[in-house]
Amino acid sequence: GQQVMQIPQYQHVQEGEDFTTYCNSSTTLSNIQWYKQRPGGHPVFLIQLVKSGEVKKQKRLTFQFGEAKKNSSLHITATQTTDVGTYFCAGPGGEGEKLIFGQGTELSVKP
Amino acid sequence: DAGVTQSPTHLIKTRGQQVTLRCSPISGHKSVSWYQQVLGQGPQFIFQYYEKEERGRGNFPDRFSARQFPNYSSELNVNALLLGDSALYLCASTRDYYNEQFFGPGTRLTVL
Repeated sequence: GQQVMQIPQYQHVQEGEDFTTYCNSSTTLSNIQWYKQRPGGHPVFLIQLVKSGEVKKQKRLTFQFGEAKKNSSLHITATQTTDVGTYFCAGPGGEGEKLIFGQGTELSVKP
Repeated sequence: DAGVTQSPTHLIKTRGQQVTLRCSPISGHKSVSWYQQVLGQGPQFIFQYYEKEERGRGNFPDRFSARQFPNYSSELNVNALLLGDSALYLCASTRDYYNEQFFGPGTRLTVL
């Protein structure tokens, strides 16, 4: 079945360093969503990308959707301790357009 | 507006028992989805309901069932609990059939 893979699984950075997580789908996606889950919390929606090659920015966060609509990335510039958490990508797949989540990238930021 | 609410917050059961988890979506949201999240993994899709009809089912055994009520709230039932069912169960609502998911705080289920 369809798979959504994320790398890396963990990323430890010094505050102020940049961070990037990559998401790859085994099939073409109609859209991709990104979520952030703080430790002990629940996933919170960040953004949805729909168009091939789309790039969206939210302050220090930059999201990209690949030309083939099978991969995506999230880049954080100058990380802050508030960025700590696990970042998930998710795309629709299978019957009923169920949302398939990647396994996430856990980001820790050392002050 | 209130967000998605789930009850109970925590639950401890023993193997073989049955459990019912409840979810109230954001007002005006017609779709509810259920996910299971095991520690260190992403949420795994269990069910989606839209306008009280099942619109999607994940790769979970028949021990898992759900329903959506006329007020769009939902219940997830799990029968014959196994140790492996221990997880965080998340409910998410969306305004239409497929939009951004608004997650509730989850129910932490522990099966002993």
